[in-house]
Amino acid sequence: SAVISQKPSRDICQRGTSLTIQCQVDSQVTMMFWYRQQPGQSLTLIATANQGSEATYESGFVIDKFPISRPNLTFSTLTVSNMSPEDSSIYLCSGSANTGELFFGEGSRLTVL
Amino acid sequence: AQSVSQHNHHVILSEAASLELGCNYSYGGTVNLFWYVQYPGQHLQLLLKYFSGDPLVKGIKGFEAEFIKSKFSFNLRKPSVQWSDTAEYFCAVSHGSSNTGKLIFGQGTTLQVKP
Repeated sequence: SAVISQKPSRDICQRGTSLTIQCQVDSQVTMMFWYRQQPGQSLTLIATANQGSEATYESGFVIDKFPISRPNLTFSTLTVSNMSPEDSSIYLCSGSANTGELFFGEGSRLTVL
Repeated sequence: AQSVSQHNHHVILSEAASLELGCNYSYGGTVNLFWYVQYPGQHLQLLLKYFSGDPLVKGIKGFEAEFIKSKFSFNLRKPSVQWSDTAEYFCAVSHGSSNTGKLIFGQGTTLQVKP
């Protein structure tokens, strides 16, 4: 199974700043994704990270707020821009294998003051 | 819009009790179905999945789930729970024709097993 590493695991940030979360997988996955889990809620897909091209965003998420890069098969970054307290969430990186299984990182818990 | 509903938000059981967690989805086409578990302080892990074939699927740690197409359901079961099953459980669905990494999750069920 794929191991997915994220960093930072948690951070406390000031309103108006930006934070970049890094995600590394230890094997080649077919696709990479970024999810958000807001307090007390379920996981919501932010976007599909496409290698070497712009990410594909879900409804309600835009590139200016959540720029995503994926320069190679096993690495991706998510930036949360111009943060507000409403952005306080757990952000999870995930990767899908050929088996169809989706593997998750441990998540990055972000608190915005 | 497609959605996944988990009927039980918080379940408390004693050890050795039987477990059934409900999951219903709203999508008329071919689906792939998943149950994930998140133990305290750990990341999400796959319990079991259904893509096709036998609608009764068995997963890790004695869990099983049954896909009932007519009811749009994929309920999770375990005959006898253990204290170590205390965790949050998420049901998820993806469209059969699309990449299976794009999942729609239910709101989750917190299971607390009392020793």
